[in-house]
Amino acid sequence: QKEVEQDPGPLSVPEGAIVSLNCTYSNSAFQYFMWYRQYSRKGPELLMYTYSSGNKEDGRFTAQVDKSSKYISLFIRDSQPSDSATYLCAMGVQGAQKLVFGQGTRLTINP
Amino acid sequence: GAVVSQHPSRVICKSGTSVKIECRSLDFQATTMFWYRQFPKQSLMLMATSNEGSKATYEQGVEKDKFLINHASLTLSTLTVTSAHPEDSSFYICSAIWGTEAFFGQGTRLTVV
Repeated sequence: QKEVEQDPGPLSVPEGAIVSLNCTYSNSAFQYFMWYRQYSRKGPELLMYTYSSGNKEDGRFTAQVDKSSKYISLFIRDSQPSDSATYLCAMGVQGAQKLVFGQGTRLTINP
Repeated sequence: GAVVSQHPSRVICKSGTSVKIECRSLDFQATTMFWYRQFPKQSLMLMATSNEGSKATYEQGVEKDKFLINHASLTLSTLTVTSAHPEDSSFYICSAIWGTEAFFGQGTRLTVV
């Protein structure tokens, strides 16, 4: 079993839709949870960073962590074509040191 | 946010040659940097942890003699792929820690022909 599981997709939705991206994990020691966006042939870009259960909102993005279920989500509201990218969840025990990444979900927002 | 610059962004080399990739933290000092490898449509796999002034720590299965890492200053880590072979063709990405966040370079696409 992988430490972090993420549905690779691809996921295709119409512009304006609400997108839900999810990851599950097995290591209860993970304390820090991140979501990265990666455009084709580019390095990952940090979107959201949380370290507690609950919701964290930043503009159109909401990160949700449920430590009891070992489940994290990223919601994108009012999705735009520019949101089309691969989204990677990442987790760490000590902050951002030695992150473990999910496989990434390829998302396409259709105009 | 912090800026991490990686160079080159793309390199093509002949089989048997060595290639050096640089990772720089432009506006902060990084005692620790990380090197990842990413195959198409797959996730980032940590290869090694680069520690300034000391030897790098390699993940299981990564050949330290093939992937040489040097972290000679607080703003620069280099990854040298020695005696490259076509199976080494991949996307290599570095990251550096600033505070409690990891920032990534743009990545280097290595093609060995």
